[in-house]
Amino acid sequence: QLQLQESGSGLVKPSQTLSLTCAVSGGSISSGGYSWSWIRQPPGKGLEWIGYIFHSGSTYYNPSLKSRVAISVDRSKNQFSLKLSSVTAADTAVYYCASFMVRGPFDYWGQGALVTVSS
Amino acid sequence: EIVLTQSPGTLSLSPGERATLSCRASQSVSSSYLAWYQQKPGQAPRLLIYGASSRPTGIPDRFSGSGSGTDFTLTISRLEPEDFAVYYCQQYGSSPQTFGGGTKVEIK
Repeated sequence: QLQLQESGSGLVKPSQTLSLTCAVSGGSISSGGYSWSWIRQPPGKGLEWIGYIFHSGSTYYNPSLKSRVAISVDRSKNQFSLKLSSVTAADTAVYYCASFMVRGPFDYWGQGALVTVSS
Repeated sequence: EIVLTQSPGTLSLSPGERATLSCRASQSVSSSYLAWYQQKPGQAPRLLIYGASSRPTGIPDRFSGSGSGTDFTLTISRLEPEDFAVYYCQQYGSSPQTFGGGTKVEIK
């Protein structure tokens, strides 16, 4: 059973870049056919899909965030990462990493990391 | 982008009662790629239903999903105390994947 754990800066200044990492345990990030995603949830609000990186390495991003997002995989560390540039207060949210099989739902989730954008 | 509208926004029920939650899509959801998640305060969402009606291993059979096309339903046959939470639907058949706004099931 996969386990995912987010880590990264909890406070980011406006206009800077948010960086988070998701460590995967219980399986190899390179095997099993899994792909990897980031989802966020502003305080008291609903869920927003940010993007994902497929097992093949291809990436897909939410069009609303596409110009500011990058998701990458570090297979040597069994982890994947999110970078979101030019952040504003509207990017304040709990950020979740999650796994999925192609054409499947998000089946394993991290516990979430709160990122606050404030000067 | 497929917009998912969940109703009602809040459902006030007592333990033991039946809960019926609705998720309506702005266009047909491809191949019933529709999932339901449960979220409790301070926790990550938990997958309850995928493919509109399939339950992952470990999900109690009091949770059931139905529907196709644009109309989907999550039914909790008899509410247990641990079922009071927020429920989200999600479509993963079209990009961008989208979530509904959620239905809160609260204790009456």
